[in-house]
Amino acid sequence: DAGITQSPRHKVTETGTPVTLRCHQTENHRYMYWYRQDPGHGLRLIHYSYGVKDTDKGEVSDGYSVSRSKTEDFLLTLESATSSQTSVYFCAISRRDRGTYEQYFGPGTRLTVT
Amino acid sequence: AQTVTQSQPEMSVQEAETVTLSCTYDTSESNYYLFWYKQPPSRQMILVIRQEAYKQQNATENRFSVNFQKAAKSFSLKISDSQLGDTAMYFCAFMKPLPLHGSSNTGKLIFGQGTTLQVKP
Repeated sequence: DAGITQSPRHKVTETGTPVTLRCHQTENHRYMYWYRQDPGHGLRLIHYSYGVKDTDKGEVSDGYSVSRSKTEDFLLTLESATSSQTSVYFCAISRRDRGTYEQYFGPGTRLTVT
Repeated sequence: AQTVTQSQPEMSVQEAETVTLSCTYDTSESNYYLFWYKQPPSRQMILVIRQEAYKQQNATENRFSVNFQKAAKSFSLKISDSQLGDTAMYFCAFMKPLPLHGSSNTGKLIFGQGTTLQVKP
């Protein structure tokens, strides 16, 4: 358990509305990530952060923005939700263990855009 | 760009038997890490095992072991003495090492499509 929580755990929203998902960690890790999981694709990186106010895009970043104003929180925002953003969203942190970085995941958020 | 392929969408095994899940990857890197993650119906992503590319010895964690063939770019997962609790989706993942300093390397995981494993009583 890497002390990662996500909120909300489930959300249903309408097309065109803004949505913010929150990831919270308790262990002061530098690197944080947002992935989305869709059938047939595994997990794909949306955005990541390598420190407070330091973020960058992943492979599926269109339509998403992120913010990290403090170490423990990493927010993912859908400015105007679309049906193609219906997915399960996972937050992750990188933690150094036995000389190697390993990623640990939060419980996920299921988002449905109607 | 790195890619990871899991060619078996679904597999099944009888309880107490052994099963092997396949994974191949493509990279031009010489140093990297490979992982297997388990995702049970609860949806939680659980790290099962990891392999450092510079190590020739295959990693083992209790009933889970890997067969790492660097030249062939193959990384299979063997589950021995399968248990009902092993029923889950399994993902193979690739990662370049994070730098000690700087931020140019994301440390992101690149996942395969997943293999659904059902353990039958």
